[in-house]
Amino acid sequence: DIQMTQSPSSLSASVGDRVTITCQASQDISNYLNWYQQKPGKAPKLLIYDASNLETGVPSRFSGSGSGTDFTFTISSLQPEDIATYYCQQYDNLPPGFTFGPGTKVDIK
Amino acid sequence: QVTLRESGPALVKPTQTLTLTCTFSGFSLSTSGMCVSWIRQPPGKALEWLALIDWDDDKYYSTSLKTRLTISKDTSKNQVVLTMTNMDPVDTATYYCARIHLSGLATYYFDYWGQGTLVTVSS
Repeated sequence: DIQMTQSPSSLSASVGDRVTITCQASQDISNYLNWYQQKPGKAPKLLIYDASNLETGVPSRFSGSGSGTDFTFTISSLQPEDIATYYCQQYDNLPPGFTFGPGTKVDIK
Repeated sequence: QVTLRESGPALVKPTQTLTLTCTFSGFSLSTSGMCVSWIRQPPGKALEWLALIDWDDDKYYSTSLKTRLTISKDTSKNQVVLTMTNMDPVDTATYYCARIHLSGLATYYFDYWGQGTLVTVSS
């Protein structure tokens, strides 16, 4: 099975800061990588699919990049409402299978 | 408007079988490309994918849990049911159902989620 790691596990940044989270897969997953935001007590929300595609309605301050084994998620200007845990998630499509990363908790400094 | 809602017992005893129902609206699981998955999250921990069923009634399971899981659908009722046997306290988690809508490319992402249901395993 493919393993996913994320770093850092948590971070604290100021409003307006640029925030970057990395996700690494244990083997090449092409661009089969999605990013989700989860606020406390809520279900995850899709932000980015296929590594770099912004889901409809998601603010443009969120972005993603990468392919193969190394991926990056960026918030260009951190806002108070971005306080959440962010998960990367890889998928296989033949047959379907999914693995989530351990998550990165983002706080306001 | 797509919605999903999980239902089932809040408390189960060790060794019992858990049955969860996902009732959805706004799409049909008989439509090509539609899938529903179950995902769980132990308190304070990460998300874990459990199972998926697609419009063609194909079923896929987590490698580590496949011997304990069964997923099924009732298209007429817009429901997907997950059973998990031999429950243990480590299975205590919030269980979510979520939709995947495959477009032309085989891109799998969970675009709509239920609010989740907390299941506690304790005697």
